[in-house]
Amino acid sequence: SQKIEQNSEALNIQEGKTATLTCNYTNYSPAYLQWYRQDPGRGPVFLLLIRENEKEKRKERLKVTFDTTLKQSLFHITASQPADSATYLCALSPYNNNDMRFGAGTRLTVKP
Amino acid sequence: DSGVTQTPKHLITATGQRVTLRCSPRSGDLSVYWYQQSLDQGLQFLIHYYNGEERAKGNILERFSAQQFPDLHSELNLSSLELGDSALYFCASSPRGWGEQYFGPGTRLTVT
Repeated sequence: SQKIEQNSEALNIQEGKTATLTCNYTNYSPAYLQWYRQDPGRGPVFLLLIRENEKEKRKERLKVTFDTTLKQSLFHITASQPADSATYLCALSPYNNNDMRFGAGTRLTVKP
Repeated sequence: DSGVTQTPKHLITATGQRVTLRCSPRSGDLSVYWYQQSLDQGLQFLIHYYNGEERAKGNILERFSAQQFPDLHSELNLSSLELGDSALYFCASSPRGWGEQYFGPGTRLTVT
C-alpha cells in the first residue's frame, strides 16, 4: 500500500542552524510534491511545490529537493528562527490532484 | 488569511445527528477539497470538486456527502454521527484541478 513517512515526529534545533526534514514514500509515483506548514489548530499553509522532473526549488530561506529514484524529498530551512517552529507536512499528488496524500508531519522546534 | 472561509468554527453535537459544514473558496478558485484531520489519522483527503463537478473521492464514508454549488461554495454533510467523527474538518481551494491548495481555518466537530 502507499506510504508516506516523515523522518521523525519532532525535531529540535538551535536558532540560526539549518533544519532538514525528510519525506520518504513507497508504492507511489507522484507527479509533484508539496510542503505545507501547520500551526496548532490552524489550517496548513502552502510553502513550496516541486514537480517530478525538478531536482530542487528555492524560496527565500526554504529549499526543497526531490529525488524520484530514492523516492525522497528533503526540506531545508536555513538560518532558522523561533518563528519557524511549527509542524511541517509533505504531500504527494498525481497530475490531476485528485487524491493528495499527506505525511503525518514533523514538529519542528527552533530554540533561541 | 488564506481567503478561504469556513463556518461554523466549532460544532458540538450528539451521536446520530446530522450536521452541515460550509466552505467558501478564494475568489476565482474553481476547485474545492475537503479533508478530515484527527490525532490518530493525520490529514485525510475526503473529496474534490471542480467547478461544480465531483472529481475524486478519497477516504469518505458513505454517511458523508458533499456538493459544490453554482457560486462555487461547498457544503459537507455528515450524518448518523459517531464519536469517531470528532475531528477538524478543513476545506481547501485552488485555482485549477491541481497544484497548491489554500486551506481554510477549519471546523472543529465534537460528537458527544
